[in-house]
Amino acid sequence: NAGVTQTPKFQVLKTGQSMTLQCAQDMNHEYMSWYRQDPGMGLRLIHYSVGAGITDQGEVPNGYNVSRSTTEDFPLRLLSAAPSQTSVYFCASSLSPYNSPLHFGNGTRLTVT
Amino acid sequence: QKEVEQDPGPLSVPEGAIVSLNCTYSNSAFQYFMWYRQYSRKGPELLMYTYSSGNKEDGRFTAQVDKSSKYISLFIRDSQPSDSATYLCAMSSMNSGYSTLTFGKGTMLLVSP
Repeated sequence: NAGVTQTPKFQVLKTGQSMTLQCAQDMNHEYMSWYRQDPGMGLRLIHYSVGAGITDQGEVPNGYNVSRSTTEDFPLRLLSAAPSQTSVYFCASSLSPYNSPLHFGNGTRLTVT
Repeated sequence: QKEVEQDPGPLSVPEGAIVSLNCTYSNSAFQYFMWYRQYSRKGPELLMYTYSSGNKEDGRFTAQVDKSSKYISLFIRDSQPSDSATYLCAMSSMNSGYSTLTFGKGTMLLVSP
């Protein structure tokens, strides 16, 4: 049981490049989400999904796309990277979207130059 | 006023001390309260999860919720160097029919041997 797995661990992009951050969970969790963590800003919700085929925006969705074709996977796509997207990205999942505690991956550290 | 306020620290204590970590909040709709521990370069991990006002104990950790004062605390007894980490409070409320978590910015704790 690996929990929540994120790849890659580190990534450097140039401005304007696109990439996909991968997230997979093996706990059969219904709810999955993406956060970004910046110094002095805390964890902020980007997008979330309450099940396969269902996604919605969080607090800071601009510049990011998501889709959820399976229960296990929830990739985050950066369409055209900007320096403001330099951050640590965490994927998290929970059993249900109703007041259920989150289980986090170990993050992807992204630098955009 | 931010929804969740948490002193960033750092809080430095000697091994064996009792540690008190606190958060205040402004949104009376918050229903569930959690504490996460985050080691450097790792994802947050759930420590405590509470719903009602009062105390909940788990080993050396005690979570306290005072909904009337909109104040939550985490106490760590007999603190150890391995407790050195950033502690995040988190609170859930319903949003568009699902619950979402709002995090504090975290308090860095340093326990010296």
